[in-house]
Amino acid sequence: QSVLTQPPSASGTPGQRVTISCSGSSSNIGSNYVYWYQQLPGTAPKLLIYRNNQRPSGVPDRFSGSKSGTSASLAISGLRSEDEADYYCATWDDSLRGVVFGGGTKLTVL
Amino acid sequence: QVQLQESGPGLVKPSQTLSLTCTVSGGSISSGGYYWSWIRQHPGKGLEWIGYIYYSGTTYYNPSLKSRITISVDTSKNQFSLKLSSVTAADTAVYYCARAVSGSYPLYYYYMDVWGKGTTVTVSS
Repeated sequence: QSVLTQPPSASGTPGQRVTISCSGSSSNIGSNYVYWYQQLPGTAPKLLIYRNNQRPSGVPDRFSGSKSGTSASLAISGLRSEDEADYYCATWDDSLRGVVFGGGTKLTVL
Repeated sequence: QVQLQESGPGLVKPSQTLSLTCTVSGGSISSGGYYWSWIRQHPGKGLEWIGYIYYSGTTYYNPSLKSRITISVDTSKNQFSLKLSSVTAADTAVYYCARAVSGSYPLYYYYMDVWGKGTTVTVSS
């Protein structure tokens, strides 16, 4: 059971906009930055969003992150087939004193 | 650009110690500024953060694993290592090393920005 809660799956058609939610508590999302990682099949995770809504160099602006209270969201606009991957949210948890991840959301591009 | 590569035995017997090394290329661990981290992923499951080491030797471990973990650094070889003792089948996972960025202004932040490709470790007799 992950500390952060994500829907196990999401889907969309090419060109569509999809959002993936990440729910936590006051000791984690509520008081810390949120990060998002993309894991393409058979590969290592890749940093997608840092400090709630910042994109590393090279990440398309189709990807955006937001945070409100104890929840966060990842939005992907103009969905493409290559976006099919697992997406994980992460943050620091002040009570557990460590990094915690969501269980991951498998995104399918129909 | 910085690249990380994990290495170590792919098979470890129960109760033994799992030992992995991460070799960093394209950058120097001793230059500071980054936290060299380990994360694992159980088969078909999500990610679990293990801990990190700074070039100075300062470490921070996941409290749930702390009693079994040792992370060390060898700046002369530009490597850092993970030892996990008393392993069981529950420690079977893909182990990733990663470079992490951390700071405290305006809020504490810590995130992995460069990852190795991962290495699969199976615990079995």
